[in-house]
Amino acid sequence: EVRLLESGGGLVQPGGSLRLSCAASGFTFGSYAMSWVRQAPGKGLEWVSTITGSGDSAYYADSVRGRFTISRDNSKNTLFLQMNSLRAEDTAVYYCARPPKVTPPLRDNYWGQGTLVTVSS
Amino acid sequence: DIQMTQSPSSLSASVGDRVTITCRASQDISNYLAWFQQKPGKAPESLIYAASTLQSGVPSKFSGSGSGTDFTLTISSLQPEDFATYYCQQYNSYPRTFGPGTKVDIK
Repeated sequence: EVRLLESGGGLVQPGGSLRLSCAASGFTFGSYAMSWVRQAPGKGLEWVSTITGSGDSAYYADSVRGRFTISRDNSKNTLFLQMNSLRAEDTAVYYCARPPKVTPPLRDNYWGQGTLVTVSS
Repeated sequence: DIQMTQSPSSLSASVGDRVTITCRASQDISNYLAWFQQKPGKAPESLIYAASTLQSGVPSKFSGSGSGTDFTLTISSLQPEDFATYYCQQYNSYPRTFGPGTKVDIK
């Protein structure tokens, strides 16, 4: 069974930093790209970042580029999101996701339960 | 960036109704389109990927179709557990983009 478990959320002041983690199990972690997606209170889903399975390439939304860094430790089946220079508009539930594959063989995609990040003074 | 739109933004339907939600991409995304269901206070759940492939464990009352720029999600017979918000997402290119969502509630 595929499981994704986020941790590391909490209350942080504007300008502060936070590191989110996502522990993965039930699949060969290093064989899959992984993503972070967020949802501000009462709003829709916003893609944040994706990293390839090897960790060689990473992609970011314009809203977080230069402030957030995605990384992974394939030996520990863990995905990370380092968030710096946090702003009030970064307040959201952050979801870890195994996104749809672009290349065959296609595989199911999965989401974690999310971790809440609140940026406020 | 590819813009995703959904219609309608909300709909009211009755148990047993057939419901269709439309998603449109601002440019050709081939079949790189996924659908997600989200209930209040819960994480999204995957329904469909590659425009028409049902996620494992998802009931066959859900179906997806389309290619290029126009896509649909159909629920053949709406049940109480299907009242939720539905999102589409393109994964043809970065940045990945979601539609704004379609809220399905009880008439």
